[in-house]
Amino acid sequence: GAVVSQHPSRVICKSGTSVKIECRSLDFQATTMFWYRQFPKQSLMLMATSNEGSKATYEQGVEKDKFLINHASLTLSTLTVTSAHPEDSSFYICSARDRANTEAFFGQGTRLTVV
Amino acid sequence: QKEVEQNSGPLSVPEGAIASLNCTYSDRVSQSFFWYRQYSGKSPELIMSIYSNGDKEDGRFTAQLNKASQYVSLLIRDSQPSDSATYLCAVTRGNFNKFYFGSGTKLNVKP
Repeated sequence: GAVVSQHPSRVICKSGTSVKIECRSLDFQATTMFWYRQFPKQSLMLMATSNEGSKATYEQGVEKDKFLINHASLTLSTLTVTSAHPEDSSFYICSARDRANTEAFFGQGTRLTVV
Repeated sequence: QKEVEQNSGPLSVPEGAIASLNCTYSDRVSQSFFWYRQYSGKSPELIMSIYSNGDKEDGRFTAQLNKASQYVSLLIRDSQPSDSATYLCAVTRGNFNKFYFGSGTKLNVKP
């Protein structure tokens, strides 16, 4: 399958600071990227969908001003958690697909801990 | 009603047995169906995709789709302890720009 690289894999930050997570498609052009959050022992919750060059579409209940998504190129999308709080601690996962395929491939995930 | 429903399990099967994982979905216009495997603390990885009614086989895995019943399943033959993981069912609709995941079924394969 296609390769999606997510960085960093783990991050610990202080409450009130911002954290940026990168998601890169290494061997294909990701026309669509998805950002998910997963709390322990729960399923993936879709946060937002972004298409290259356009604004992200956020799911209901997800604060767009808190979770900033940028999909400026066909190989890179970023998620910035602004003014992070302990309740934002979670496993954040990106996935990406290209125009030719229906499958979406996942990055390795980022374990965010806000202290 | 959830978009995609799965029994959370755990489903326990002995090594070498067939594991049967089930998934139902609520929207009839769902177009594509996927099974992902997720090990604890890791990101999901794609196992199978299926788009039309019937069976699709890939090695020890068989996906079955019944659109009339809005039901998709995954069979794992000759189950191995390394198959122990959470299996996520996902469906898409609307130009494949929305992936909806079930809550996952935890599978335990006992040696």
